[in-house]
Amino acid sequence: QVQLVQSGAEVKKPGSSVKVSCKTSGGPFSRYSITWVRQAPGHRLEWMGGVIPMFGTANYAQKFKGRVTITADESTSTSYMELRGLRSEDTAIYYCARGLRELLTSSYVIFDVWGQGTMVSVSS
Amino acid sequence: QSALTQPPSASGSPGQSVTITCTGTSSDVGAYNYVSWYQQHPGKAPKLIIYEVSQRPSGVPDRFSGSKSGNTASLTVSGLQADDEADYYCSSYAGNNGVFGTGTTVTVL
Repeated sequence: QVQLVQSGAEVKKPGSSVKVSCKTSGGPFSRYSITWVRQAPGHRLEWMGGVIPMFGTANYAQKFKGRVTITADESTSTSYMELRGLRSEDTAIYYCARGLRELLTSSYVIFDVWGQGTMVSVSS
Repeated sequence: QSALTQPPSASGSPGQSVTITCTGTSSDVGAYNYVSWYQQHPGKAPKLIIYEVSQRPSGVPDRFSGSKSGNTASLTVSGLQADDEADYYCSSYAGNNGVFGTGTTVTVL
């Protein structure tokens, strides 16, 4: 079955950048959206952005525009999320999730498979 | 995009029903039939339980049902069981992006 495997936990300084990876295995990659969602400790889920690898162009939440870049490498079935200008409020678990339906951006909110999450801690 | 509004908490005794609302705007919930609901147990990734307002993924019991009216979507959990105690989040498509709700903690009394 399809699995999403994310990179390991990160500890970063304020002002730095982090890049988290999410590798798809056990199923097709290019036609299904990959969306990035984060959850600060004790807080709600927050939609960050998504990409359909075949199309290449990512869509972002207004809050993160200019600070986040989401990409997809079809040759390795891996999506990346880079967040720049880190601050303490960015301390969170970052999840990638695969969309249910092929080639539809409506699948940016329908996730049938989730990665295990990557803890990113930002502290001086 | 502002978060969709959910009640912070809901509760019910085993066997009872609980309904959670999710209020958005005419730009998200009201505009599209792409509302999803997720169940999240502590320390776990969320699990899809309803998509496209009222569809259930395979393996999700029919005790879970969804509906929508105008800018408000609802999730009903019937026949509450101990394992239903969790956080629940709605999510809506908003035209090439998405938004989650504020989350509701369901307690089984």
